[in-house]
Amino acid sequence: GQQVMQIPQYQHVQEGEDFTTYCNSSTTLSNIQWYKQRPGGHPVFLIQLVKSGEVKKQKRLTFQFGEAKKNSSLHITATQTTDVGTYFCAGPSDSGYALNFGKGTSLLVTP
Amino acid sequence: DAGITQSPRHKVTETGTPVTLRCHQTENHRYMYWYRQDPGHGLRLIHYSYGVKDTDKGEVSDGYSVSRSKTEDFLLTLESATSSQTSVYFCAISGQGLNTEAFFGQGTRLTVV
Repeated sequence: GQQVMQIPQYQHVQEGEDFTTYCNSSTTLSNIQWYKQRPGGHPVFLIQLVKSGEVKKQKRLTFQFGEAKKNSSLHITATQTTDVGTYFCAGPSDSGYALNFGKGTSLLVTP
Repeated sequence: DAGITQSPRHKVTETGTPVTLRCHQTENHRYMYWYRQDPGHGLRLIHYSYGVKDTDKGEVSDGYSVSRSKTEDFLLTLESATSSQTSVYFCAISGQGLNTEAFFGQGTRLTVV
């Protein structure tokens, strides 16, 4: 089935540094979604990208969808301790009814 | 948070016993999902439902069954629990399937001893 690969698996940054996580698929995706999971919590939807080359911003977070719709990235500018958590990308399953999640990138921010 | 409740929130069970996890939603969403989360594996789809009595398998469905007799409830059953099924289980709902966001429940931590 369609799989999304996510790197890096872990990232440890000092507060104020930037952070980027990447998501790649071997097949073209109709859309891609991003979720954040705080430690001990549940995944929470951040954004959905649909168009080729799309860029969306949410305050310090910038999301991009590649031109070929096979890759995506999430960039956080000037990280804060509140950014700590695991960030997941998710693409449509083969059936089209469910989401296949990447393994996630765990972000640790040190004050 | 969306109206989605998982029960129980924690459970310890013995190998070989049956276990049923419940997901209840008050959003009247069509799609419901069961995922398991394990370190290093992210979220993996077990089963999903696209309507009452309409279910299908995900990538890690072996050892699990599901039922959805009404819109609001989606049950996940481990027929004979094994230690490899120790995990955190998340239920999720979606109104439009993959075209809109999924809302997750709080999770159930299951330990099989």
